[in-house]
Amino acid sequence: GQSLEQPSEVTAVEGAIVQINCTYQTSGFYGLSWYQQHDGGAPTFLSYNALDGLEETGRFSSFLSRSDSYGYLLLQELQMKDSASYFCAVSPFSSGSARQLTFGSGTQLTVLP
Amino acid sequence: ETGVTQTPRHLVMGMTNKKSLKCEQHLGHNAMYWYKQSAKKPLELMFVYSLEERVENNSVPSRFSPECPNSSHLFLHLHTLQPEDSALYLCASSQEGTGLSYEQYFGPGTRLTVT
Repeated sequence: GQSLEQPSEVTAVEGAIVQINCTYQTSGFYGLSWYQQHDGGAPTFLSYNALDGLEETGRFSSFLSRSDSYGYLLLQELQMKDSASYFCAVSPFSSGSARQLTFGSGTQLTVLP
Repeated sequence: ETGVTQTPRHLVMGMTNKKSLKCEQHLGHNAMYWYKQSAKKPLELMFVYSLEERVENNSVPSRFSPECPNSSHLFLHLHTLQPEDSALYLCASSQEGTGLSYEQYFGPGTRLTVT
């Protein structure tokens, strides 16, 4: 089976850098995705790592290390609007398709002024 | 309308009622999904439709019945639900065949309360 673990809560101040970790136990997967969800809102896609290494998209970066069964989302220059839940997700090979996402429980990020 | 829309946004139903959730995507995608989101739990994939065919049913109880009449519309028919079925039901879509099916676009969800 697959399981993904994330911290349940992270707090940081505006302008800071925060890293949200995701560790997983899965026999193999297509890639690691990250989604953001504001309270009462829809999850929105942030990034995808198919290969090991760092992917950068503006203030957000995502990292994957398959050998360490580990990934993270890095948020720089934090803004109040970044307060939200962040979910990592994998597409296991056992599902047969990259579309079959298994999600972590999410990390609630609170940005303080 | 843009993106993925869902109606109703809120629904309260008794355990003996029958209701339907509706999802419509305006993105030209060819795959659609139903997820269940309960408090403090991961999003759970319920059903996947690709090219209007159901390709995944993750051991969902038969009191949930999906329908995909075309690539833009997805329904979730509900009957004789249980209180533990109270949750946020999210619809999503993606484009198959481009290598980007992991990038899913979600609707705002229907907040369902079963009394």
